[in-house]
Amino acid sequence: GQQVMQIPQYQHVQEGEDFTTYCNSSTTLSNIQWYKQRPGGHPVFLIQLVKSGEVKKQKRLTFQFGEAKKNSSLHITATQTTDVGTYFCAVNAGNNRKLIWGLGTSLAVNP
Amino acid sequence: NAGVTQTPKFRVLKTGQSMTLLCAQDMNHEYMYWYRQDPGMGLRLIHYSVGEGTTAKGEVPDGYNVSRLKKQNFLLGLESAAPSQTSVYFCASSYGVSDQPQHFGDGTRLSIL
Repeated sequence: GQQVMQIPQYQHVQEGEDFTTYCNSSTTLSNIQWYKQRPGGHPVFLIQLVKSGEVKKQKRLTFQFGEAKKNSSLHITATQTTDVGTYFCAVNAGNNRKLIWGLGTSLAVNP
Repeated sequence: NAGVTQTPKFRVLKTGQSMTLLCAQDMNHEYMYWYRQDPGMGLRLIHYSVGEGTTAKGEVPDGYNVSRLKKQNFLLGLESAAPSQTSVYFCASSYGVSDQPQHFGDGTRLSIL
C-alpha cells in the first residue's frame, strides 16, 4: 500500500537553530497536510499544500511541496521552546476516504 | 464551540473487560476516525466512518468495533480488553478527506492491566 516516509525521526536542537523535517512518497500526491502535536496533546492541523512547487509561510515556519509532488518539507527558522512537539505529514490514501500518516519527527529544543 | 469531545479521558481496565469510548463532534462533519497512538508508531487508523450508519476497517481493526448511529457520534468498543490495547486513542473528524483538515479530540489514555 501507499506509504509516506518522514525523516528524521528525532531532532534535538539548541534554541535559535533551524530545523527541517521531510516527507517523501514513492507516488505522486494530490496534496499533503502537516500537523503538530505538543507533548501530551493532540495533533493540530497546520497547513495543506496542493500545487506543485508550492511554498507557504506561517511566521517562522516554511512549508514546501516538491515540483514532482512526491515530497514536502517543513522548515522552522530560529527554533523556540514553543516549537517542541512532533510534526506529522499526512497524505490522501488515494480513495478519498482516509489519510496516510508519516511516523512523525519529534523536535526537542534546548533553551 | 466544543469541536471534538472524547470521553472518558483516562481509564484503567482489567484484561477481559469491555468498554466503549465515545466521540462527539458538533461541526456537522461527515467523516469520523478512530486512531491509536503508541510510542514510535505514529497514528494508526482503527476504524473510520464516511457518514451516518456507515463504518469501515482501518489499519488495525482487530479487537475493536465501532458504530455511527448518529452523525455527531462515533463509538469505539473494546470487546475483551487485552494489554496490547494499552494506548492513547484519538478521535478525529473532517468535512472530507483529500482537502479538509482533521480535527482531533484530546484523546483517551487507556491502560489494560
